[in-house]
Amino acid sequence: SQQGEEDPQALSIQEGENATMNCSYKTSINNLQWYRQNSGRGLVHLILIRSNEREKHSGRLRVTLDTSKKSSSLLITASRAADTASYFCATDAGDYKLSFGAGTTVTVRA
Amino acid sequence: DGGITQSPKYLFRKEGQNVTLSCEQNLNHDAMYWYRQDPGQGLRLIYYSQIVNDFQKGDIAEGYSVSREKKESFPLTVTSAQKNPTAFYLCASSTGEGTQYFGPGTRLLVL
Repeated sequence: SQQGEEDPQALSIQEGENATMNCSYKTSINNLQWYRQNSGRGLVHLILIRSNEREKHSGRLRVTLDTSKKSSSLLITASRAADTASYFCATDAGDYKLSFGAGTTVTVRA
Repeated sequence: DGGITQSPKYLFRKEGQNVTLSCEQNLNHDAMYWYRQDPGQGLRLIYYSQIVNDFQKGDIAEGYSVSREKKESFPLTVTSAQKNPTAFYLCASSTGEGTQYFGPGTRLLVL
């Protein structure tokens, strides 16, 4: 079952701008993860945030988690053409499985 | 070089035919997973295995079968019972602590 839902479905931005996408989920989680998928490729893990963490950074990525609202956001700062991809959130409820959302497609225009 | 390999990259299936997708990992991970991805959608879990000789059904197991005879290998068979098999199939592995590592995928098309 797909627990996470990303918003927006698609996002188009100019190179150098920031991109923000959101993820909402329904049940309790151990952690929430974000993955990137380039067209026709496998997914690449970007960042994991645990349920007791509120914010995490990795390079140009910033992830927040609000467990009271069951939501997370991914911010990509100073976007580049290479950031063009689909981004998925995935929730881990501690049962060896991940539940993926439908993803946000990000297009970075030169 | 550590990683996950999937083969073939493209696979064509005729009506009534069973086909097998290969997934191999040399990451020494205990857990392995098979997902199906349809255009514009997220990943749906087909089967997963936490340890050798054991596997569980995911959300959409009907029409698929798997085996886990070796730690490194987790092949997926798409049987003739799967009436709509056209999709992108992704294999992943994990230590079981959360992060999953994905292969490059196999695109299955029906002739």
